[in-house]
Amino acid sequence: AEKVIQVWSTASRQEGEELTLDCSYETSQVLYHLFWYKHLLSGEMVFLIRQTSSSTAKERSGRYSVVFQKSLKSISLIISALQPDDSGKYFCALWELSNNRIFFGDGTQLVVKP
Amino acid sequence: DMKVTQMPRYLIKRMGENVLLECGQDMSHETMYWYRQDPGLGLQLIYISYDVDSNSEGDIPKGYRVSRKKREHFSLILDSAKTNQTSVYFCASSSRQGNYEQYFGPGTRLTVL
Repeated sequence: AEKVIQVWSTASRQEGEELTLDCSYETSQVLYHLFWYKHLLSGEMVFLIRQTSSSTAKERSGRYSVVFQKSLKSISLIISALQPDDSGKYFCALWELSNNRIFFGDGTQLVVKP
Repeated sequence: DMKVTQMPRYLIKRMGENVLLECGQDMSHETMYWYRQDPGLGLQLIYISYDVDSNSEGDIPKGYRVSRKKREHFSLILDSAKTNQTSVYFCASSSRQGNYEQYFGPGTRLTVL
């Protein structure tokens, strides 16, 4: 069974809009991290934001923020004030600390139109 | 500047040839990873290295082997490459300290004809 599920494979928005990318995961671990990465057209994978399972703080980094619903095993990435440069593929990842394993979702391809 | 490098960036090989993908990092990270990414799929873990000569199979190790003789270098080797190993390969590294963030290399696009 897949550990990390990103339901939407593609998304399209206009510049200036806000977008929410959903991710659900499955784990029996108590302590884990959740990450969002962006895959650029250049091929680079860029770290965006991290959520720790033990934290109740709403993580935020610039225009990126997350909504973490631990009981539902869900983490959403919110990107505000979208820009064309935000276009790319966004990956959600689960890191199980006890076994140092990381699992990626299939990614969501975002297109932001000017 | 913290960095993960991969060489080569692009590679074309014939079926049956040997392939060597190299990865380096300048952050003294203990842990390094090799992934492959295929269209429509997420990143799939091939191997993890916890430190020099301390390697562990990931989810799809078949057809691959790795070598870590120095902490800053992690090699992925395909002995007798197959056409289904055509993919984009990513190397990553992380520290056991701090936030466990993985730093990724730029990827190597391998085509096996």
